[in-house]
Amino acid sequence: QAQLVESGGGVVQPGRSLRLSCGASGFTINKYGMHWVRQSPGKGLEWVAVMSKDGRNKYYADSVNGRFTISRDNSNNTVYLQMNSLRPEDTAVYFCAKDYYDRSYMDVWGKGTTVTVSS
Amino acid sequence: SYEVTQALSVSVALGQAAMITCGGDNIGYKNVHWYQQKPGQAPVLVIYRDSSRPSGIPERFSGSNSGNTATLTISRAQAGDEADYYCQVWDSSTRVIFGGGTKLTVL
Repeated sequence: QAQLVESGGGVVQPGRSLRLSCGASGFTINKYGMHWVRQSPGKGLEWVAVMSKDGRNKYYADSVNGRFTISRDNSNNTVYLQMNSLRPEDTAVYFCAKDYYDRSYMDVWGKGTTVTVSS
Repeated sequence: SYEVTQALSVSVALGQAAMITCGGDNIGYKNVHWYQQKPGQAPVLVIYRDSSRPSGIPERFSGSNSGNTATLTISRAQAGDEADYYCQVWDSSTRVIFGGGTKLTVL
């Protein structure tokens, strides 16, 4: 059974960095596209980033482009989100999600990890 | 960039059918996927590729997509169906777009 577990969230000051991790089990991450999606308090879902299954293509929402980087470690079956130059508006629950294949729909979601950007 | 619109809220009487729409320019040419999210929980896929239902999702959930509107229909609505519902599409294969979400209330 495919599962995702996010970690690495916390409270961080504006301008600082944080790295989120998403550990996968029950499937191999390099066979699927992998996403990060966030949800600010009381708001809707906002897509953040995707890595294609071959790892060659990475795409980002305009709001994080140039500040966030998605990556993966196949040996640990883990996806990462490096978040730099954090802003208060980055405060959200961050979900990791598996794509059904590549650029399709998200069929497995983690429970999320909370990031709070505040001084 | 492509945009999709959803009503903020929809109400339905217990046991009746609820229709939640997702509007977008020629959205009928795109694959639309739907997620259900209950408070404090992660989203759950309920419909993919316009009208297909994942295993474990009740047959009461169905979808359609044509022209400028995709529709998620929940027949015989139950109290447990109360949740936020989001539509999702891809914009030119490089960007995922979520609708703003619709809060379903079962009266």
